[in-house]
Amino acid sequence: DTEVTQTPKHLVMGMTNKKSLKCEQHMGHRAMYWYKQKAKKPPELMFVYSYEKLSINESVPSRFSPECPNSSLLNLHLHALQPEDSALYLCASSRGGSFNQPQHFGDGTRLSIL
Amino acid sequence: AQKVTQAQTEISVVEKEDVTLDCVYETRDTTYYLFWYKQPPSGELVFLIRRNSFDEQNEISGRYSWNFQKSTSSFNFTITASQVVDSAVYFCALSDLEGAAGNKLTFGGGTRVLVKP
Repeated sequence: DTEVTQTPKHLVMGMTNKKSLKCEQHMGHRAMYWYKQKAKKPPELMFVYSYEKLSINESVPSRFSPECPNSSLLNLHLHALQPEDSALYLCASSRGGSFNQPQHFGDGTRLSIL
Repeated sequence: AQKVTQAQTEISVVEKEDVTLDCVYETRDTTYYLFWYKQPPSGELVFLIRRNSFDEQNEISGRYSWNFQKSTSSFNFTITASQVVDSAVYFCALSDLEGAAGNKLTFGGGTRVLVKP
């Protein structure tokens, strides 16, 4: 079982809906990440939170809004998404923000935009 | 800029055969880390191994082994006596200080391994 838990596992939403993806870890990790992965492609980094502060935004459209309420939780708020946003969204965490720490991933949320 | 290349997009083997996955990387940093991840159909990326740029010692862990050669910028991965459960996509990844201050993993394109019974 993964130590990073993502909910929901599947989400279907219309382009006018507002929904949120959730990610939780209890490993005491202080860095958390959101990735987007299209079919047959590697994951693409979207956001990085380090010690609960947003440290990296990889030029992600504003219809994606991340939030880190505490060191264990990471949310991704979705609003007015486009069909091309359909993908697997992966959350990950690592012990710190330093570059030598392996990232531990959740199972992902499979998102479909109608 | 960093780059990771996995030239093999898909490898198909019969159970018990060995399979080697190639990974070639580019970085201007002298200090960097290399990783291998496995992604089964369930979607989760499973961390397999980390190697730093100063440690060229090859490693064996059960049926897995890794061959790091700095001279050729390669970090290859071998599965010995493959099993059906090894069927997955395998990603090689690099992190260095240039990549978003070390917080960014640069992934290769992935190699899909299919192990047939």
